[in-house]
Amino acid sequence: KQEVTQIPAALSVPEGENLVLNCSFTDSAIYNLQWFRQDPGKGLTSLLLIQSSQREQTSGRLNASLDKSSGRSTLYIAASQPGDSATYLCAVEGSYIPTFGRGTSLIVHP
Amino acid sequence: EAGVTQFPSHSVIEKGQTVTLRCDPISGHDNLYWYRRVMGKEIKFLLHFVKESKQDESGMPNNRFLAERTGGTYSTLKVQPAELEDSGVYFCASSQDKAGLTYGYTFGSGTRLTVV
Repeated sequence: KQEVTQIPAALSVPEGENLVLNCSFTDSAIYNLQWFRQDPGKGLTSLLLIQSSQREQTSGRLNASLDKSSGRSTLYIAASQPGDSATYLCAVEGSYIPTFGRGTSLIVHP
Repeated sequence: EAGVTQFPSHSVIEKGQTVTLRCDPISGHDNLYWYRRVMGKEIKFLLHFVKESKQDESGMPNNRFLAERTGGTYSTLKVQPAELEDSGVYFCASSQDKAGLTYGYTFGSGTRLTVV
């Protein structure tokens, strides 16, 4: 059974810092890994999708890496802004059903 | 293109009542998924439709939950009778391919269900 762990559970930083959010999974036989963002009271917004054959994906200030063999992914947020405050979730897909972590709650204060 | 649409966005019902949640996937997406997030816990899979057929309903918590997908278009999730522990956010997602391999999943904004 796939288990996904996200560390830290919560993070509060001043604006401008570079951040690293971690996601680890127990079964390395995955098809892809997807990072999502959830704003309070809203749905999940897809940020980055990394296929199992890829090692990283970038979108703007976001960079996600994937190391299948070690069961880890990191989401790097450069020059954080207050608008980045949200819960960040990673979802790992191994048997066509994504397994989610509990998320990292991020607060970026001015 | 329109995204995945869910309604209502919020629902507050009394224990024992019935509630029906609706999800409209992206047009052309055969695969539709229901997920639930209970406060403080991870998002859990409930079930998966391929067109109108239930591909996997292993995540459905009990027989108080009934999901349907009429004609392979929109889907409904009915909870009858609702219990306090059913409170949470119910998400719907759709994908273009079976495993979301290429395009990933698109989620709706969720329905926040509160049972009092």
